[in-house]
Amino acid sequence: AQKITQTQPGMFVQEKEAVTLDCTYDTSDPSYGLFWYKQPSSGEMIFLIYQGSYDQQNATEGRYSLNFQKARKSANLVISASQLGDSAMYFCAMRERGYQKVTFGIGTKLQVIP
Amino acid sequence: ETGVTQTPRHLVMGMTNKKSLKCEQHLGHNAMYWYKQSAKKPLELMFVYNFKEQTENNSVPSRFSPECPNSSHLFLHLHTLQPEDSALYLCASSRVEERNYGYTFGSGTRLTVV
Repeated sequence: AQKITQTQPGMFVQEKEAVTLDCTYDTSDPSYGLFWYKQPSSGEMIFLIYQGSYDQQNATEGRYSLNFQKARKSANLVISASQLGDSAMYFCAMRERGYQKVTFGIGTKLQVIP
Repeated sequence: ETGVTQTPRHLVMGMTNKKSLKCEQHLGHNAMYWYKQSAKKPLELMFVYNFKEQTENNSVPSRFSPECPNSSHLFLHLHTLQPEDSALYLCASSRVEERNYGYTFGSGTRLTVV
């Protein structure tokens, strides 16, 4: 079974608008961490934001926020005020307690339109 | 620059060739990873090294041989590869004890097997 599901293969957003990228996860472990990464065309994966399963508040980092709905096992990324430089692949990922490795979803390609 | 450097950026090799990918980090991290990224598939973890010791081999074929001479350097030796091995190979590093932070990735080596 897939541990990370990203159902949007591609998304378009107008510059300066907000966009939500969906991510659902599957784990029976009560302790886990969720991550979002950005991969521009240059290839490198850039860490954006982290949410711990016990964190009471949604994580925020600048224009990025994570809409964490634990009961629904959902960890959507919200990008506010989109910029042209936000055009990239975005990956949701999870690390479970006791495991060092991070499991990734298949990604969502975001294109920001001027 | 993320602090994780991968060379070469691009590599074309024949199925009978032997080549090596190199990864270097000077972030003071003590764990290093190799991931394979193929089109339309989630990132696949290949190998994990903690403090220079291999702790995970994710059922990777023996034609891929990792080497970690110290905590700052990681190699992936390639021999008799198949065309389906063509992919983006990403190196990452982290501190084992810091679970709230994502990995730091390099820009990857785009490998084409002909």
